[in-house]
Amino acid sequence: DAGVTQSPTHLIKTRGQQVTLRCSPISGHKSVSWYQQVLGQGPQFIFQYYEKEERGRGNFPDRFSARQFPNYSSELNVNALLLGDSALYLCASSLARFSTDTQYFGPGTRLTVL
Amino acid sequence: DAKTTQPNSMESNEEEPVHLPCNHSTISGTDYIHWYRQLPSQGPEYVIHGLTSNVNNRMASLAIAEDRKSSTLILHRATLRDAAVYYCILRVPLTQGGSEKLVFGKGTKLTVNP
Repeated sequence: DAGVTQSPTHLIKTRGQQVTLRCSPISGHKSVSWYQQVLGQGPQFIFQYYEKEERGRGNFPDRFSARQFPNYSSELNVNALLLGDSALYLCASSLARFSTDTQYFGPGTRLTVL
Repeated sequence: DAKTTQPNSMESNEEEPVHLPCNHSTISGTDYIHWYRQLPSQGPEYVIHGLTSNVNNRMASLAIAEDRKSSTLILHRATLRDAAVYYCILRVPLTQGGSEKLVFGKGTKLTVNP
């Protein structure tokens, strides 16, 4: 089975632009979470979606939004990009949303904002 | 958010055991302790998790203190492929949706010497 896939792999944008990142979970997984990892830091939680509904949101501004589609794939949108949004964006999928459910991470999308 | 404390870095020699410590003094009775690792240029990878009893799997062992305020990840024979950042994580409940999120710290960077 394929693992979690993310696209694109790398992305370069300029300040003020908008970006959409995509994630395909492992087949059968209904939960998708998004994390931001700034260089030298651990990943920080942005969103979790389960069964196409937002189940949680981290401490990120409203410029960040996401959605989950009927096939459980997900998109993360970031508007009005700032230099500080430069980071590795990670998507993780799991079967459900409980404490013992293992999260499987994709390779990430490297976003550079100039 | 529940916090964990880990050393910034550790070094080991190939084929020797490695003990990676983690303190989580604010852990609650129902918090599972999770360990993930992140190899260079990859997303985090699940290693092991436990609640109270010591746990073993093909990758590692997890030793949990009796008071659950600390735990130790044990790699029985380190290989060069084990060089990674190791994260000790408590899953934190989200206020909506009954879900949980992973709260990452900076982790421990493990260097394995040949």
